[in-house]
Amino acid sequence: KAGVTQTPRYLIKTRGQQVTLSCSPISGHRSVSWYQQTPGQGLQFLFEYFSETQRNKGNFPGRFSGRQFSNSRSEMNVSTLELGDSALYLCASSLARTGRNEQFFGPGTRLTVL
Amino acid sequence: GEDVEQSLFLSVREGDSSVINCTYTDSSSTYLYWYKQEPGAGLQLLTYIFSNMDMKQDQRLTVLLNKKDKHLSLRIADTQTGDSAIYFCAEIFRDDKIIFGKGTRLHILP
Repeated sequence: KAGVTQTPRYLIKTRGQQVTLSCSPISGHRSVSWYQQTPGQGLQFLFEYFSETQRNKGNFPGRFSGRQFSNSRSEMNVSTLELGDSALYLCASSLARTGRNEQFFGPGTRLTVL
Repeated sequence: GEDVEQSLFLSVREGDSSVINCTYTDSSSTYLYWYKQEPGAGLQLLTYIFSNMDMKQDQRLTVLLNKKDKHLSLRIADTQTGDSAIYFCAEIFRDDKIIFGKGTRLHILP
């Protein structure tokens, strides 16, 4: 069974631009969560989608948004990029609701904002 | 609010035991997890413990939970070079919210 895949693996953008990151969960998994990882803040929860609906949301500004498609694939969008958005963005999938089910993480997308 | 704290670095000699500590503020969590992150990779679930347990052993890994002190630890016996990674503890709550610590970087000395 293929693991969680994220594309692209690396991305360089400039301030003010927008970016879309993609996550393909493990086949059969319906929950997808997104995290931002930085050296200073550690791992911070962005949002979770389950069956195309956002179930939980972290404390990030509205510039960060996401969606989930009917095949459970998910995208995350960041508009008007700021230097502080440079981070490793991790996606994780699980069978059903997180917490009660193990989350499987992808390798991440490393975003650099210049 | 909920907070999970870990020390940032730990150096251990190969063959010794590593003990990674974690403290948390909100004791209403249902599970506590330990994740391992190797360079260039995502997080891998190592082990977890239910919040009503005190100890869990899984091969070289021992998890201890002290609910009174809100303290969680992960002991890795006979530490190997392949154990070099960042280790995250995480609390999972009834509403499925997950709070991660900032991670402890384990460095193995020869």
